[in-house]
Amino acid sequence: GNSVTQMEGPVTLSEEAFLTINCTYTATGYPSLFWYVQYPGEGLQLLLKATKADDKGSNKGFEATYRKETTSFHLEKGSVQVSDSAVYFCALSYPGTYKYIFGTGTRLKVLA
Amino acid sequence: DGGITQSPKYLFRKEGQNVTLSCEQNLNHDAMYWYRQDPGQGLRLIYYSQIVNDFQKGDIAEGYSVSREKKESFPLTVTSAQKNPTAFYLCASSIDLDTGELFFGEGSRLTVL
Repeated sequence: GNSVTQMEGPVTLSEEAFLTINCTYTATGYPSLFWYVQYPGEGLQLLLKATKADDKGSNKGFEATYRKETTSFHLEKGSVQVSDSAVYFCALSYPGTYKYIFGTGTRLKVLA
Repeated sequence: DGGITQSPKYLFRKEGQNVTLSCEQNLNHDAMYWYRQDPGQGLRLIYYSQIVNDFQKGDIAEGYSVSREKKESFPLTVTSAQKNPTAFYLCASSIDLDTGELFFGEGSRLTVL
């Protein structure tokens, strides 16, 4: 079946460090891929998305590229800030369906 | 501002009691969803609704019920039949099933005493 696997957290970084959060997926066909972010005590909000192979989603300095050959959608940011501390969820969905598959989330802590 | 409002934010319940979580959206979205979030797990779908007066079970519907009498509202009732109801509940909406992007409320944390 379809699944999303994220790296275990928490990930702890110093401010201005480079961030990578790994995400791989198992799916048939051509799902859309997403990264959502959840700040403490809040719901999730869309960070970025990509709808086809080789697409790059980007927002707020974060980037992720849809790699069909490696079935990956790794999240990167060149220089993290304390305000980036949150839980990040990788997810996939098929357009036209209700079905979302979420990863287990990766908690990021950024220290000043 | 448009968005999704969930209430209450925190709720305590005694075993054997039913509780209802409210979810209201003013985004004019057709589709609405309820997810459950537990520590160390991804979100799991409880129920979803594509249009008014129609809703479908998700992956973990047992012990829950919903209604969709108005486009803006999608309340979730956690019944006494739910064996392990303590969790964080998230309501979401999307324009329709084709857009992909989900818009979430801030969540309701239910604790069973």
